[in-house]
Formats: sequence, C-alpha cells, structure tokens
Amino acid sequence: GAVVSQHPSRVICKSGTSVKIECRSLDFQATTMFWYRQFPKQSLMLMATSNEGSKATYEQGVEKDKFLINHASLTLSTLTVTSAHPEDSSFYICSARSDRGRGETQYFGPGTRLLVL
Amino acid sequence: SQQGEEDPQALSIQEGENATMNCSYKTSINILQWYRQNSGRGLVHLILIRSNEREKHSGRLRVTLDTSKKSSSLLITASRAADTASYFCATATSGGYQKVTFGTGTKLQVIP
Repeated sequence: GAVVSQHPSRVICKSGTSVKIECRSLDFQATTMFWYRQFPKQSLMLMATSNEGSKATYEQGVEKDKFLINHASLTLSTLTVTSAHPEDSSFYICSARSDRGRGETQYFGPGTRLLVL
Repeated sequence: SQQGEEDPQALSIQEGENATMNCSYKTSINILQWYRQNSGRGLVHLILIRSNEREKHSGRLRVTLDTSKKSSSLLITASRAADTASYFCATATSGGYQKVTFGTGTKLQVIP
C-alpha cells in the first residue's frame, strides 16, 4: 500500500514553545491530507483537512491560530502547534488520500507523540 | 463528533477462535473502512466496503455492511496473537472531500 511518513515520531518540548510536525506521502501524490489527534485509549478525532495550495478546513472546536497547517506541495503537509501547553500533549496522526484508483482510501502516518512539559 | 460506535469496547479470545466486532453509525455513508492500530502506532488500512456492497473478504477478514441498520461487522477468523490491536471503523459520507469519521474502537486481545 501507499506509504506516509511523519517526522518527528516523538517530541518533548517546554510549555510556550512551538512544535512543527511533518507529514509526507512517499510514493504517491496527495491532494488532500488530514490531521487527527488521539488521546490515550480514545479514538481519532479529525482536527483539520488540508488541500494542496489552499487554506485548511478546521473542525469545530479546533483553534486555527493554535494549530497551523500548511499543505505546501502534493507530498508534504505540516502541522505547527503554536505556544504549546501541557493539554496539547497527545498523539498526532496525519493521513493522506491517495490519488490512485478512486482515491477513497486514506493512508496513515505512524503518528507523532507530543509531550509538553 | 464521532460517527461510529463500536461494540464490544474490548474483546479477549483464545488464539484460533474467531473475533467479531460491530460498528454502528448514524448518518448515510458512501464507504466504510476498517483500520487496525497497534498500541502507540499509526493505523493500518484493512478493508473498504462501499454502500452498495453487502459483504467483502480479504484473507482472514470478512466485512459485512447493512445500510438499512446502519451497521457493519468485522470478522477475523482463526485469530492469532499478532491480531492483538485496536480496531476502528471509519465512515465517509458522499460528496465533497469525503471526510472520514472514526468510531470508538474495539480493543482485541488474542491470548496465545
């Protein structure tokens, strides 16, 4: 299947700093990428959908000024958690929808575990 | 808000037994997918079923979809210890960019 990578896999930062997470589709072009957040023992909650070259669409309750998303190319999307606080500690997962076939399947990255001290 | 709810929330079986997980959803869907997540890892796509399909097979996996009841089931036959993971159903509505919404998940433990 299609491969999606995320970097870094794990990050620890101090409260008030900003953290950037990269999501790359390695062997396909992804016009649409999705960012999810997952708290321990819970399901994935969609944060935002990003389309290459346009502004991201955020889900209700997600602060767009806090979670900056940039979908700069067909293979790269970044999520920046600005002025991170301990409550932002979570598992962040990106996914990309393949341009192959009907483009229905989302392929997920391995996730980034963020810990804000 | 989450579209799907899965049941059971947790399931523990012996290796070799079959495992059945159910997913119910609220609104009309275009496609339904099942994913597996090992602890602390990303998601692995297992199988996709469309709203005009009733059943699909992939190896030891069998998925059914009943759109009249807004429910789906995932059956894993002859389970293995390596099947231990959380399983999520994910639904997508038609139109637009097909936003995918995840269910609450079933945590499966297969005991060797």
